[in-house]
Amino acid sequence: RKEVEQDPGPFNVPEGATVAFNCTYSNSASQSFFWYRQDCRKEPKLLMSVYSSGNEDGRFTAQLNRASQYISLLIRDSKLSDSATYLCVVNALSNTGKLIFGQGTTLQVKP
Amino acid sequence: NAGVMQNPRHLVRRRGQEARLRCSPMKGHSHVYWYRQLPEEGLKFMVYLQKENIIDESGMPKERFSAEFPKEGPSILRIQQVVRGDSAAYFCASSPVSGELGEQYFGPGTRLTVT
Repeated sequence: RKEVEQDPGPFNVPEGATVAFNCTYSNSASQSFFWYRQDCRKEPKLLMSVYSSGNEDGRFTAQLNRASQYISLLIRDSKLSDSATYLCVVNALSNTGKLIFGQGTTLQVKP
Repeated sequence: NAGVMQNPRHLVRRRGQEARLRCSPMKGHSHVYWYRQLPEEGLKFMVYLQKENIIDESGMPKERFSAEFPKEGPSILRIQQVVRGDSAAYFCASSPVSGELGEQYFGPGTRLTVT
């Protein structure tokens, strides 16, 4: 079983749609969680951290369910510029900074 | 404030040659991480360094690969006697602190092609 699993997609949605990505992780001791974005295999860029209480940043909402070891990302009112690969990322151990990346979910927003 | 810098951006080596990849972290960041992304795969952790110390090298292949982060100068990822399977994008990241408080900032990567 992979340490971080994501549905690779692609998700093809029209502009303005709401889309949700899910991710599961296997290590129950994982400490911190992130969503990164990667465009055309360029460098990953931090989109947002994910907290147990859930957090929102504009059109983006992230949720963490520790009991189910499940992380989600919701994008509302999709824009063409949201087209990218979204990477679910887990920090395995709090003292090493070792990030475990999922394979990524590809989103294509169409006009 | 310049971001994480990596050079070269593209590197071509013949089998058996050495590859040296350089990474300068963001100003004020003392933690450096190297990741590798093979074609059609996700990013894989290789090594975590602080100045003059290797903290976690659990993702480094046992042979031919080494990394350093000297007191002065950039971090270096060195691959000796490269093989075709080493062709990948190598990303460096830095953070001001480690662990769960640390959000990592990535450089543009070095694309290594082994012919």
